Amino acid sequence: NAGVTQTPKFQVLKTGQSMTLQCAQDMNHNSMYWYRQDPGMGLRLIYYSASEGTTDKGEVPNGYNVSRLNKREFSLRLESAAPSQTSVYFCASSEGIQPYEQYFGPGTRLTVT
Amino acid sequence: KNEVEQSPQNLTAQEGEFITINCSYSVGISALHWLQQHPGGGIVSLFMLSSGKKKHGRLIATINIQEKHSSLHITASHPRDSAVYICAVNFGNEKLTFGTGTRLTIIP
Repeated sequence: NAGVTQTPKFQVLKTGQSMTLQCAQDMNHNSMYWYRQDPGMGLRLIYYSASEGTTDKGEVPNGYNVSRLNKREFSLRLESAAPSQTSVYFCASSEGIQPYEQYFGPGTRLTVT
Repeated sequence: KNEVEQSPQNLTAQEGEFITINCSYSVGISALHWLQQHPGGGIVSLFMLSSGKKKHGRLIATINIQEKHSSLHITASHPRDSAVYICAVNFGNEKLTFGTGTRLTIIP
């Protein structure tokens, strides 16, 4: 089992460009999450999907959109990238929303210039 | 405001030392998680607990619900334990709130 996979691992964008970060899990988990990690701050939740077909905003959703394509895949889209979105992005999954262990992908390091 | 605080922020120790990392939180929780982030960036869940104590190999996690405090202990520390250790909590039925992490360096 690959667990949680993310693509790409690294990306450099110019301000205003768009891109989609892909995430997939093979653990048959119901819930998936997108976080960003910035220096000196804890991981912050951008969006989550409690189950297939549902998505909800987290703590820092502005500038992002998400799609829960199916049970396995949860993508994060930046429509018009800004330098403030320079960060490391992590996807995670869990059995459900109630306190469950979360499994993290390897991360995507995004730089917006 | 629901907050999670970790201490120390940075910790350097000699190989073999007993390590303690602390986490305190502001209000009642349904679960507390300890995570490990390797130098390469990957994040791994170590423990999830809501009471008492859990042990896995040289790692021990404890939680005191009344004092709103948890500790992560590492016995016989080794350079491969060098990582950032992150505490995260579920406040009630809310999503995870993360601490800023403790950077641990073990010197051979």
